[in-house]
Amino acid sequence: KNEVEQSPQNLTAQEGEFITINCSYSVGISALHWLQQHPGGGIVSLFMLSSGKKKHGRLIATINIQEKHSSLHITASHPRDSAVYICAVINSAAGNKLTFGGGTRVLVKP
Amino acid sequence: KAGVTQTPRYLIKTRGQQVTLSCSPISGHRSVSWYQQTPGQGLQFLFEYFSETQRNKGNFPGRFSGRQFSNSRSEMNVSTLELGDSALYLCASSFPASYGYTFGSGTRLTVV
Repeated sequence: KNEVEQSPQNLTAQEGEFITINCSYSVGISALHWLQQHPGGGIVSLFMLSSGKKKHGRLIATINIQEKHSSLHITASHPRDSAVYICAVINSAAGNKLTFGGGTRVLVKP
Repeated sequence: KAGVTQTPRYLIKTRGQQVTLSCSPISGHRSVSWYQQTPGQGLQFLFEYFSETQRNKGNFPGRFSGRQFSNSRSEMNVSTLELGDSALYLCASSFPASYGYTFGSGTRLTVV
């Protein structure tokens, strides 16, 4: 079983819809990243969370440390949100190295 | 301030050759980590350097090595290239990990 699991693997939404991506992890962490990767490869860190909730524009990320679960929400989705979203944990049991989920490929149709 | 710079962006090598990739971190960041991304395995941790010392290493064969210089720039080297080494290689810098990671744009390596 992977240490970081994401769901769904793929998601297609119509423009304007609310999108939720989930991440569950089984290791101890010091923090969790939500990353965005567009075609071409570059990765951008959207959020780093160690507790609670963060909001940036139309993006909201939450984390429940007790349940070892995080969610990324995209409100009023737009075609430019089409990308791969990756959950990555800073694994405190492994020297704080990043351990990644498999990613969620999001396609937002106009 | 300038982001994380990786060079080259694209590289084509033949089997058996070796390759060196470079990563310049954000100014002031002392930690550089390297990752391999393939369609089959996703993103995997290669190694991390802090103040010129390897601090952590992933499960990759000894053909994969790296180093970090006194100015925090890092290089990774892959010797005796195999077709399966074709991947996007990403580096990230941090100061330290608790402040989060910033990724470079990656080097896309194709082995033919």
